[in-house]
Amino acid sequence: GIQVEQSPPDLILQEGANSTLRCNFSDSVNNLQWFHQNPWGQLINLFYIPSGTKQNGRLSATTVATERYSLLYISSSQTTDSGVYFCAVGEYNNNDMRFGAGTRLTVKP
Amino acid sequence: SQTIHQWPATLVQPVGSPLSLECTVEGTSNPNLYWYRQAAGRGLQLLFYSVGIGQISSEVPQNLSASRPQDRQFILSSKKLLLSDSGFYLCAWGLVDQFFGPGTRLTVL
Repeated sequence: GIQVEQSPPDLILQEGANSTLRCNFSDSVNNLQWFHQNPWGQLINLFYIPSGTKQNGRLSATTVATERYSLLYISSSQTTDSGVYFCAVGEYNNNDMRFGAGTRLTVKP
Repeated sequence: SQTIHQWPATLVQPVGSPLSLECTVEGTSNPNLYWYRQAAGRGLQLLFYSVGIGQISSEVPQNLSASRPQDRQFILSSKKLLLSDSGFYLCAWGLVDQFFGPGTRLTVL
């Protein structure tokens, strides 16, 4: 099956800093999502982005499907951005979504 | 708008006891439904998905089972829990992208 690798595994930032999280996948995908898991375990949808670029406030994401990677950008980070960021991909439809191991982000005040 | 509920929020069960976790979705019809498990500090593993009433696909052979008795109800069960069944269980719904419930934290002692 498709392999999903996220980097870095851990990231510590000072409040106000910018960061880039990366998701590499091993095969063509029709579905790609970014999620944020908060400290209480809730998974929050950030982007549905199988290709192209999207922005939502301080967050933006870019997926280059032909090169099999996606990037999540966080600008002017805040302590509430802390948590684990997951990338999930699907080859054919969203019934076979595979999650990466996540990037654990800690934003210090 | 759509909402997804899971209960209970936390559960502590002895080894060998039965399990029943429930997930319900509001505000949509005939959604695809999913059960995931997350071990401590790890990514998400897809356990089951359902594209309609009575239709269940299993991703991982184990002592768990799933049922979908109604369009917007998804149940995860076990006849006899193992220590290795401990984890955070997440239900999700989706047609294109997936949306997650708040999760059930299960500890098997």
